[in-house]
Amino acid sequence: GQNIDQPTEMTATEGAIVQINCTYQTSGFNGLFWYQQHAGEAPTFLSYNVLDGLEEKGRFSSFLSRSKGYSYLLLKELQMKDSASYLCAVRERTTALIFGKGTTLSVSS
Amino acid sequence: EAGVAQSPRYKIIEKRQSVAFWCNPISGHATLYWYQQILGQGPKLLIQFQNNGVVDDSQLPKDRFSAERLKGVDSTLKIQPAKLEDSAVYLCASSLDYGNSPLHFGNGTRLTVT
Repeated sequence: GQNIDQPTEMTATEGAIVQINCTYQTSGFNGLFWYQQHAGEAPTFLSYNVLDGLEEKGRFSSFLSRSKGYSYLLLKELQMKDSASYLCAVRERTTALIFGKGTTLSVSS
Repeated sequence: EAGVAQSPRYKIIEKRQSVAFWCNPISGHATLYWYQQILGQGPKLLIQFQNNGVVDDSQLPKDRFSAERLKGVDSTLKIQPAKLEDSAVYLCASSLDYGNSPLHFGNGTRLTVT
């Protein structure tokens, strides 16, 4: 079966660093995606990992360990606008994505 | 480039009524997806099209939901009859057809069934 786990909620303060973890168990694996979703808006693409290691893109980085079925999204220099839901998603055999339930991040001043 | 277009933005219907949603994907994207997102959860795939053929509809409740993609471009998703538990945001997404191509989502249709 498919199982993607993320923490439900996290809080942090402006300027801090936060790490959002994701573990997955899927029948196939062709990549892991992270999306950001602000309340009432569409999910927007943040990052993609298919090989083990760290991918860095500005303030956001994403890490993957395929052997452990584990990924994390690292957000640096947090800003208020980073308050959103962060969705971990796995691509199995087709190009469709299977999403976790999402982690709601609240950034306070 | 223009994004994924969806309409309507909001819809309120009574249970047992029918409703239809429309989606126009990004130009050149062969693959189109419909997802259902219930409040507080991640999106759940309902159906995936490649051009005008169905790739995966295993999670589509076929007794009440139907979808089509005419001419491999626009798509419609229909619910008939609606149930209270169908209240959700229906997201349409499209992508190119290779491994690291991300999905691009429309703004969704928020459906409330009363």
